[in-house]
Amino acid sequence: QVQLVQSGAEVKKPGASVKVSCKASGYIFTNYFIHWVRQAPGQRLEWMGWINPDKGFTKYSQKFQGRVTITRDISARTAYMEVSSLTSEDTAVYYCARQILDEFAFDVWGQGTMVTVSS
Amino acid sequence: QSVLTQPASVSGAPGQRVTISCTGSRSNIGAGNHVHWYQQLPGSAPKLLIYGNSNRPSGVPDRFSGSKSGTSASLAITGLRAEDEADYYCQSYDSRLSGPGNYVFGTGTKVTVL
Repeated sequence: QVQLVQSGAEVKKPGASVKVSCKASGYIFTNYFIHWVRQAPGQRLEWMGWINPDKGFTKYSQKFQGRVTITRDISARTAYMEVSSLTSEDTAVYYCARQILDEFAFDVWGQGTMVTVSS
Repeated sequence: QSVLTQPASVSGAPGQRVTISCTGSRSNIGAGNHVHWYQQLPGSAPKLLIYGNSNRPSGVPDRFSGSKSGTSASLAITGLRAEDEADYYCQSYDSRLSGPGNYVFGTGTKVTVL
């Protein structure tokens, strides 16, 4: 079946970086954009950016521009999202999600990766 | 910051109908961009409920329906069930070139089944 499986929970110190992976299966990886969305505790969903797995093109929310990097490994069918210069405000669950063809919506989500930033 | 506004909570008895509103602006919903809805059960990832304003993905019961008018959209749940108790988010695309992000989510609504 179509699914996205993410890497496990992370605990990082302020100022560090974290890299989360998202492995796709059950569909043609290069045919669908992958997005990253985060959710701080008790807060709403917040879009971070996307990658076109076929071409490697990316776009980021202005809020995260320069601090977030999204990449992919086609052979591994995996997308990655790295956040640098972490602060406590980056403590959140990070989700990858597949974008529907011809719609700006997300039909398949990863299970989420909890990233905790604490000294 | 561009955001879609939803009521913080709605509630209803089993079998009743509830609606959740999603108010945007001329740069997102009012620009003709589609609205999508997600259900998020406690401790789980969001699940796509409605896409393209009113379309249901395969497997989503027809108790869930969506509509859009002007700068707002609505999600209706009929025949409310205990398993519908969750957080619901609307989402759209913002056409402004600047701002925090082109994909915008609503503030979220908690549905409580009494």
